[in-house]
Formats: sequence, C-alpha cells, structure tokens
Amino acid sequence: DAGVIQSPRHEVTEMGQEVTLRCKPISGHNSLFWYRQTMMRGLELLIYFNNNVPIDDSGMPEDRFSAKMPNASFSTLKIQPSEPRDSAVYFCASSYGEKLFFGSGTQLSVL
Amino acid sequence: DQQVKQNSPSLSVQEGRISILNCDYTNSMFDYFLWYKKYPAEGPTFLISISSIKDKNEDGRFTVFLNKSAKHLSLHIVPSQPGDSAVYFCAASAREYGNKLVFGAGTILRVKS
Repeated sequence: DAGVIQSPRHEVTEMGQEVTLRCKPISGHNSLFWYRQTMMRGLELLIYFNNNVPIDDSGMPEDRFSAKMPNASFSTLKIQPSEPRDSAVYFCASSYGEKLFFGSGTQLSVL
Repeated sequence: DQQVKQNSPSLSVQEGRISILNCDYTNSMFDYFLWYKKYPAEGPTFLISISSIKDKNEDGRFTVFLNKSAKHLSLHIVPSQPGDSAVYFCAASAREYGNKLVFGAGTILRVKS
C-alpha cells in the first residue's frame, strides 16, 4: 500500500488566494483526519470524518476553512481566503482503529 | 487549553545513554496513549502505545510507562542511537471521543554520537 497520499507537498500563495489541499487515505480505512502542525501548538486536529461523514470540526479555526470527503478515497481541505497566519504544515491521516497513519504533509506558505 | 502537554521542547542525549521523554495529560477520560516519531519533511509515524489498563509496555529499545494517578506517561529509549534523533509526539484518545487523537506539542530529541 502506498500509504496516505497528500498533494501538493509544498504550496506558496499570496494572501487572499484560495488554497486546496488534497488527501487520499489508505484503502479500507474508515476514518480520516486533518491536522495542522505549528511550532507553538504542535499537532492540532482540525476536523475528522468517519465513513465520509464529518464528526468533529470544532478545531477548524474559522469559516475560511472547509473540508469535504465526497467518497472513501478522497478528501480536500480548503482555505478561502488564505492569510499569512495560515502558514503551517497540514497533515492528513487515516485509520481503522486507534492508530493513525499520516501522509507526508503539505507545507503551506501564505505571503 | 492543552489537554496533552510535553513540557520539554528539546532533549539532548549522548549515544548509548537513556533518553526519557515525558508527557502529562489533564483529561481523566483518556484511556489510550501513543507515541509518534517524526523526521523532517515526513509525516509522524507510530512508535508505541499503551492502554490505561497497563502501566508499562515494551518494544525493543522503547518502553512506555503510564502513571494514571499522576496523569503522566514517559517514553524511555535505551540505548539511544543517532537515528533516534527526531521529534516525538505524545498522543491520547478516549473511547468516548471515537478515534480522535489529541497530541502534545512535541519534544525534539537529539542523540549525539
């Protein structure tokens, strides 16, 4: 299995632009998570899905953030409009049980 | 409010010695604890876990200890190797919260040769 696949690996954009991060979970996993890593707060959970249904989005910072999971093999995290304080590494993870398997992350820089 | 805290941002250890990484939690509902290791430009990878019904779990050079009364867990690596240099994240979950993992801020471990 290729593991959790995220794209792009790096994204540089200007303030105000829309950013879309993509994730393909491991086949057979029924839960998908979006995390954000910052120096100050470590790994913060933004949102997670169970069987493609959003279960907890309490970590989504603002209405500028949205996430979808249209099917079991694909999810997106969208930021519109983006701001410099959104700069961070965004990780997608999937699981079947308690252990999460992470993708390599998307390094987002908003100038 | 950080429910999982790793109060040491970094730790430096000599090769061959023991590395001890600490983690504290505040939510008594947590019943499963994990450690993840992260290398630069990679995602975190699972290292070792422990259920709240145990107080110790060992896997090769890695041992996790859980003290429920103190709401504290620690990861021991012995002997430490230069390849262990990475960021270590402590994480916790509760059955009531589904599979949601709450992570600490991480500790950077540097093993000097």
